[in-house]
Amino acid sequence: EAGVAQSPRYKIIEKRQSVAFWCNPISGHATLYWYQQILGQGPKLLIQFQNNGVVDDSQLPKDRFSAERLKGVDSTLKIQPAKLEDSAVYLCASTPNEGSYEQYFGPGTRLTVT
Amino acid sequence: DAKTTQPPSMDCAEGRAANLPCNHSTISGNEYVYWYRQIHSQGPQYIIHGLKNNETNEMASLIITEDRKSSTLILPHATLRDTAVYYCIVRVAFTGNQFYFGTGTSLTVIP
Repeated sequence: EAGVAQSPRYKIIEKRQSVAFWCNPISGHATLYWYQQILGQGPKLLIQFQNNGVVDDSQLPKDRFSAERLKGVDSTLKIQPAKLEDSAVYLCASTPNEGSYEQYFGPGTRLTVT
Repeated sequence: DAKTTQPPSMDCAEGRAANLPCNHSTISGNEYVYWYRQIHSQGPQYIIHGLKNNETNEMASLIITEDRKSSTLILPHATLRDTAVYYCIVRVAFTGNQFYFGTGTSLTVIP
């Protein structure tokens, strides 16, 4: 079974630029999560999708972050414009449904904003 | 969801049991205890979860105190590959509630 795929693995941008991350969850998984992990901290949930609908985006900085999951499969997370404090690893995870106890994580995208 | 308290770091000799404690004194009756770990440069990985009974799988054992206010994750024979950050999380099961990862315990297995 293929795992959660993410790209790119690394990205370096200057502040005020835009960036987009892509996630392909495990086939058949209805629930998809985006997390932000700042160095030295645990992952923090940004947004949760159930199929193509948003379940929880309460911690998403909506003035600069956006995410979509068209057709309930792949998802993209965008930052526009980026700030220095957005430097972090962005993790995507998926589960068969929102009640599942095991989240399957991708390898993450390491973003550096200079 | 209830908060958890974990020591920031621990060491364990290779081949010995690693016992990772977690305090969750405000846990409510319908909240489970979950453990995940994160090896350097990888995403977190599920280890085990439980409600009140002790649980064991191929990776680890989970011991939950009778009052459910604390728990211990046990890696019976730690290897160098077990070096990772271990997260203890409490969450209402079978809901869409999010996992709060906290800062975890950084376990270093020493040769």
